[in-house]
Amino acid sequence: DAGVIQSPRHEVTEMGQEVTLRCKPISGHNSLFWYRQTMMRGLELLIYFNNNVPIDDSGMPEDRFSAKMPNASFSTLKIQPSEPRDSAVYFCASSLLGEPRNEQFFGPGTRLTVL
Amino acid sequence: GNSVTQMEGPVTLSEEAFLTINCTYTATGYPSLFWYVQYPGEGLQLLLKATKADDKGSNKGFEATYRKETTSFHLEKGSVQVSDSAVYFCALGLDSSYKLIFGSGTRLLVRP
Repeated sequence: DAGVIQSPRHEVTEMGQEVTLRCKPISGHNSLFWYRQTMMRGLELLIYFNNNVPIDDSGMPEDRFSAKMPNASFSTLKIQPSEPRDSAVYFCASSLLGEPRNEQFFGPGTRLTVL
Repeated sequence: GNSVTQMEGPVTLSEEAFLTINCTYTATGYPSLFWYVQYPGEGLQLLLKATKADDKGSNKGFEATYRKETTSFHLEKGSVQVSDSAVYFCALGLDSSYKLIFGSGTRLLVRP
């Protein structure tokens, strides 16, 4: 299996621009998580999907952030407009079931820099 | 509330030294406990886990025992290698929730 695939791996953009991060979970997994990692705040859960349905988006920082999962094999995280404080590494993870006993498989991350 | 506390890093060791990274937790109910590792430039990957008290998780020479009496899940390795240099995250999960609660991470640097 190819594992969780994220694109792009690196993104540099200017403040105010729209940014779209993409994720392809492991085939057969029904749970998908978006995380953000920064030095200051560590690893934060942004949103959780189960069977393509957003279950908990309480971690999404504000209305500038949105996430979709149109089908079982694709998800996007969009930031519009982007701000310098959004600079971070964004991880997508998937698991077979949403239960915490099930291993979460992380993608390699997208390093976002907003100038 | 539910939380995980890890020792502050970085931890710097010489190759073949003994490693301990402390992790304690606070949780309602009976959590499962995990150690994830993040190598430079990569995402997190599961290193080991334990789902009930007194269970020992082990993988790649690393071990951790679920101690309910001390609410701890310390990570140990008898002889570290340079390739073990990474950030290690302790985490807990509750059956009542899909969330994993991560500690802040401990950076390990192993020198040749």
